[in-house]
Amino acid sequence: AQTVTQSQPEMSVQEAETVTLSCTYDTSESDYYLFWYKQPPSRQMILVIRQEAYKQQNATENRFSVNFQKAAKSFSLKISDSQLGDAAMYFCAYREGAQKLVFGQGTRLTINP
Amino acid sequence: NAGVMQNPRHLVRRRGQEARLRCSPMKGHSHVYWYRQLPEEGLKFMVYLQKENIIDESGMPKERFSAEFPKEGPSILRIQQVVRGDSAAYFCASSPLGANVLTFGAGSRLTVL
Repeated sequence: AQTVTQSQPEMSVQEAETVTLSCTYDTSESDYYLFWYKQPPSRQMILVIRQEAYKQQNATENRFSVNFQKAAKSFSLKISDSQLGDAAMYFCAYREGAQKLVFGQGTRLTINP
Repeated sequence: NAGVMQNPRHLVRRRGQEARLRCSPMKGHSHVYWYRQLPEEGLKFMVYLQKENIIDESGMPKERFSAEFPKEGPSILRIQQVVRGDSAAYFCASSPLGANVLTFGAGSRLTVL
C-alpha cells in the first residue's frame, strides 16, 4: 500500500521568512497526483497546492511552491514570506486510485511574530 | 455555491447509541468521500460513494459503520453502538466526475462519552 511520511511533527518560522516542510511517499505507480492541504484551527481542510507526477515543472501558487523529486519520491512545500495566517497543520497527500487520498501524519507550523 | 455542507458540526453520544453524520456535496458534484481524523493524526479514507452506489469501502470498519448516498438527499455516515474509540472528526469531501481535486467540508466532531 502507498504510504506518505512527514518526518517533521512541528516546525516554526519567523514572520516574513521562508520555511520548507518535508514529505516523502512510497508508490510503484508512475502516474499520480500529490497535494498539500492546510488545516487551520477551524479544522477546515484547504487545498494549498497540487502536483501532477507526469509534469517535471514544480507547481507554484503565489507564496507556496513545491520541490518535487520524482526519483527520490520527495514532495516538499516551501512557504515564502511567512504570514501569521499561515499557522496551521499541513498535510501532504497522495492520490491513490479514483480520488482516494492517502495523507501523511501532518506538520504543525507555528509563525513567530 | 455553498460548498460541502456537513452537519452536525458537533455530536455527543453515549456508548451504545447511534451516530448519524450528514454530508451535502457541492452543487454538481456526484462523488462523495468520507474520511476520519483521530486526534493528532492525518485523515484516513473510509468510503467512496456515487449516487446510490458504494464504489470503494475498503477503509470502513466491517462492523457498526455504514454509509449511503441516496438518489435524493445528503450522504449519511451511520455508526451504530458507538464506542469511545469512535470519537474523532469525520470529514466529507466531494468532487465532480473525473475531477482531480476533492473539496472538503468543515468536518463533524463526534464525542463518545
